[in-house]
Amino acid sequence: KNEVEQSPQNLTAQEGEFITINCSYSVGISALHWLQQHPGGGIVSLFMLSSGKKKHGRLIATINIQEKHSSLHITASHPRDSAVYICAVRGSNYKLTFGKGTLLTVNP
Amino acid sequence: DTEVTQTPKHLVMGMTNKKSLKCEQHMGHRAMYWYKQKAKKPPELMFVYSYEKLSINESVPSRFSPECPNSSLLNLHLHALQPEDSALYLCASSQVRHPLRDTEAFFGQGTRLTVV
Repeated sequence: KNEVEQSPQNLTAQEGEFITINCSYSVGISALHWLQQHPGGGIVSLFMLSSGKKKHGRLIATINIQEKHSSLHITASHPRDSAVYICAVRGSNYKLTFGKGTLLTVNP
Repeated sequence: DTEVTQTPKHLVMGMTNKKSLKCEQHMGHRAMYWYKQKAKKPPELMFVYSYEKLSINESVPSRFSPECPNSSLLNLHLHALQPEDSALYLCASSQVRHPLRDTEAFFGQGTRLTVV
């Protein structure tokens, strides 16, 4: 069983829809990262969380440490949001453990 | 400047070639990382440097040789690679902070390597 599980694996939405991607982890962590990767491209860090909630533009990330669960929300989704969204957790050292990613496609 | 710059963006090399990938950051980060990512898979950690010293080697074959000549530069020297080594190679950097929960990682755009 992977230490970091994301759901769904694939998500298709219509422009304007509210989107939620979930991440569950089974190990103790010092921080959780949400990352975005466009096809063939590099990785952009969206959020780093150790507690609570963060908001940046149309993106919101929440984490519940007790339940070992985090969600990434996108409000008013747009085709340019189409990408792979990756949840990654950091334990007690420099190593990040990655989820398998969620492929989001937003259709106009 | 919040960028991690990787060169080249694309590289095609033969199995007998020697080549190097380069990564540069000017954010004052003292931890730098190499990741390998195969298509449709998450990145896999290869190496971590902390204060220019190798701190983690994830049992990477010796045909991959990392080097951190100074606090801004990270190289990955490649020699006698196999076609299965074809992948996207990502560099990342972060501050060295305690507790580690404050350590945000910044990634480069990657080098797309094809071994023929």
